[in-house]
Amino acid sequence: NAGVTQTPKFQVLKTGQSMTLQCAQDMNHNSMYWYRQDPGMGLRLIYYSASEGTTDKGEVPNGYNVSRLNKREFSLRLESAAPSQTSVYFCASRGGLFGQPQHFGDGTRLSIL
Amino acid sequence: KNEVEQSPQNLTAQEGEFITINCSYSVGISALHWLQQHPGGGIVSLFMLSSGKKKHGRLIATINIQEKHSSLHITASHPRDSAVYICAVIRETSGSRLTFGEGTQLTVNP
Repeated sequence: NAGVTQTPKFQVLKTGQSMTLQCAQDMNHNSMYWYRQDPGMGLRLIYYSASEGTTDKGEVPNGYNVSRLNKREFSLRLESAAPSQTSVYFCASRGGLFGQPQHFGDGTRLSIL
Repeated sequence: KNEVEQSPQNLTAQEGEFITINCSYSVGISALHWLQQHPGGGIVSLFMLSSGKKKHGRLIATINIQEKHSSLHITASHPRDSAVYICAVIRETSGSRLTFGEGTQLTVNP
C-alpha cells in the first residue's frame, strides 16, 4: 500500500547543479501537485497537473519545471539550483471526485550549498 | 496578510487537556481541510469540511462559513498528538488547489 512515493528523501546539491525529484502514485489519481515547505511559511504550490498531459503553474514556479510522464508519475526538475531553493519538497495526489483529500508523499529534504 | 491565518502558532499542553486550534480565512471557499504533519515530516489529511462539524475519535472539526472560521479540537490530549496541525482552504475559484496556513505546532507533555 505505497500511496505516494517520493525519491530521493534527502539530497545536497551545489549551486548551479541540476536535479530531478521523482514522484509516483499508485492510487490511479488524476491530479498531482508539487509543494515546497519553508520555515515560517505554509506549504506553497509550485506546479500541479490536473490530469495526464496537463501541467499548470502554482504560486512559486520560477526556477522549476515539471513533467507529467504518465498518470502515475509527476517529476519536478531544478535546472540550475540556487540556495533559495533549499526546502522540503512534497508531492501529493488526489482523486477526481470533489471532497477527496490530497495524499502526500513523505517529502524530499533538499539543501543547496 | 495571509489568506489563511492560524492561531496559536505554538501550543504546549499537558496530557489530558482539551485543545483548540483556530483557523480564519479571508476568501470565499468551497471547502476547508485540516491536516496533521508528524515529527518525521509526513502529512496526512484529517478532515475536509464544507459546513457544520465532523468527528473522528478524539478529534472534532467545526466550521462557520459566515464567520470564515474553523476550529480543530482534540479531547483528552496525548503525547502522540504532538505534531503540526495545518489548515488549508480550497478557494471557490481555484479548482482543487489548496491554500495553506502556516501551521500550529502542538506539543503534549506527559
